Amino acid sequence: AQSVTQLGSHVSVSEGALVLLRCNYSSSVPPYLFWYVQYPNQGLQLLLKYTSAATLVKGINGFEAEFKKSETSFHLTKPSAHMSDAAEYFCAVNGAGNMLTFGGGTRLMVKP
Amino acid sequence: DAGVTQSPTHLIKTRGQQVTLRCSPKSGHDTVSWYQQALGQGPQFIFQYYEEEERQRGNFPDRFSGHQFPNYSSELNVNALLLGDSALYLCASSPGGRNYGYTFGSGTRLTVV
Repeated sequence: AQSVTQLGSHVSVSEGALVLLRCNYSSSVPPYLFWYVQYPNQGLQLLLKYTSAATLVKGINGFEAEFKKSETSFHLTKPSAHMSDAAEYFCAVNGAGNMLTFGGGTRLMVKP
Repeated sequence: DAGVTQSPTHLIKTRGQQVTLRCSPKSGHDTVSWYQQALGQGPQFIFQYYEEEERQRGNFPDRFSGHQFPNYSSELNVNALLLGDSALYLCASSPGGRNYGYTFGSGTRLTVV
């Protein structure tokens, strides 16, 4: 079985501030982990993925995430938020089998 | 390079009707998965097709069925529509293997009235 918990359904930051979106997972096998972003009325765009190589993963648009096995976490960060980062963010795990299990999502709001 | 293409983009159906949604995977991808995303929630896995066979299925009733064609495109069929089937239906393709990030289409917004 696999599951994902995203802490905080809504996160608000000021433009230029640090972005931190939290993701904890459970998986019966070594997981592959993903972060996706969804803009209104659009599909999901892959930000970054962890596939058992380096634990610190860099993605697009300045985002990065660190895999911490001891904490079963895969938090997403960005040093400086931009207005264009406002969107819904989903963490997903691909454990046993070939299906992705998603968290409930975190809506990021960026204040000017 | 075209990504994942889904049609139609929007659809309105009446309870009890049947609907077919279509998906063309990204070039080079042979595996197609379907997800249902209800408003304000994360996507839920419906099923996955590979080599024209359903390879894995999520917790969805038999009213949800699918098909994959030799060119890897896929259809999702839903029979006896319920109001609760209203959602964004997302198609994702991949070249197979767990370590690939799935490429998602923009989805089909289904409204059941």
